[in-house]
Amino acid sequence: QKEVEQDPGPLSVPEGAIVSLNCTYSNSAFQYFMWYRQYSRKGPELLMYTYSSGNKEDGRFTAQVDKSSKYISLFIRDSQPSDSATYLCAMGQTGANNLFFGTGTRLTVIP
Amino acid sequence: DAGITQSPRYKITETGRQVTLMCHQTWSHSYMFWYRQDLGHGLRLIYYSAAADITDKGEVPDGYVVSRSKTENFPLTLESATRSQTSVYFCASSETSGVYSFPSYNEQFFGPGTRLTVL
Repeated sequence: QKEVEQDPGPLSVPEGAIVSLNCTYSNSAFQYFMWYRQYSRKGPELLMYTYSSGNKEDGRFTAQVDKSSKYISLFIRDSQPSDSATYLCAMGQTGANNLFFGTGTRLTVIP
Repeated sequence: DAGITQSPRYKITETGRQVTLMCHQTWSHSYMFWYRQDLGHGLRLIYYSAAADITDKGEVPDGYVVSRSKTENFPLTLESATRSQTSVYFCASSETSGVYSFPSYNEQFFGPGTRLTVL
């Protein structure tokens, strides 16, 4: 079983839709949860970061962590064509040097 | 320009050849990382370095060699390339410790990637 599972999609939505992206994980020691956005032929860039459980909002983006279910989500409101990218979840634990990444979900927002 | 760069951006080589991928960062970040990205696997850590002359293995180190004689450079060498090493390789750097301790988080900044094909 992989440490982090993520539906690869692809996911295609109309402009203005609410998008929900999700990851599950198996390691209960994970405490740091990140979402990276990766445009085609580019390196990943950090979009959101949360620690432990709870919600975090930044503009049109909301990250949620449910440690009891080992489930994290990223919501994108009023999606725009510029949001078209691959979204990777990543997780880490205190005392560890490396992150564990999901496979990424490819999102296309259609104008 | 400041930032993290990788070279070459694209490389085609043959099985058995030695290949070196370069990574250079201008931020004087202590930590540097090498990942490979493959369909169905996501990003997987190959090696990382905490400082000059300090390196350690990640999840998939076999077939790779790294060195770090200068803080700003972190080359990755495939000593005898195999087809299974066809992938996109990303270098990343982090300002301070790669060890995460609440509440701080040290963001990893990624380079643009090198697309390597081994024939």
